[in-house]
Amino acid sequence: GENVEQHPSTLSVQEGDSAVIKCTYSDSASNYFPWYKQELGKRPQLIIDIRSNVGEKKDQRIAVTLNKTAKHFSLHITETQPEDSAVYFCAALERTGGYNKLIFGAGTRLAVHP
Amino acid sequence: DTAVSQTPKYLVTQMGNDKSIKCEQNLGHDTMYWYKQDSKKFLKIMFSYNNKELIINETVPNRFSPKSPDKAHLNLHINSLELGDSAVYFCASSSSGNIQYFGAGTRLSVL
Repeated sequence: GENVEQHPSTLSVQEGDSAVIKCTYSDSASNYFPWYKQELGKRPQLIIDIRSNVGEKKDQRIAVTLNKTAKHFSLHITETQPEDSAVYFCAALERTGGYNKLIFGAGTRLAVHP
Repeated sequence: DTAVSQTPKYLVTQMGNDKSIKCEQNLGHDTMYWYKQDSKKFLKIMFSYNNKELIINETVPNRFSPKSPDKAHLNLHINSLELGDSAVYFCASSSSGNIQYFGAGTRLSVL
């Protein structure tokens, strides 16, 4: 089955710097890769996603890149702000028994310091 | 209107008790999920239902029994609670298994 690894587990940056979180996956058949942000005590919320037919997707200060050959994808946050502080999860969609299942990475705790 | 709502938000109980968590979604989705998030924040899928049919059952003790009375509801009943069951349980829903929307979570503490 699918296995998703996420690095780093913690990331500390100064406000205004960029942050990059990387994930690798094992199943070459996976074709959908979402990123979720979970603020302290809150629910995980989708912030951006990418499908395997594109290599990059941007939404304001957030971008995701996908390298299908190497089976890795990354989240890039530019001009970080204190409100970006949260745990970020990558995930890959695994097709199992005719149904889809999201396999999550272990999460990255991002701290943005003013 | 909350898209995915689960109750209760907090649940504190003694070991050995039986408890239930309820989940409802008003998004018209056909698939619902239960996840467990432990103290290290790892999100692990437990169950998934598609149109009231169990489709995913990850290696979960049989003390955990999901029930879906209709495709808008997915409840989780836990028998004989153990200390290790303490976690945050999230319900989620999706249409055709892609974008998943999560409920606010139920923080279960077993004493």
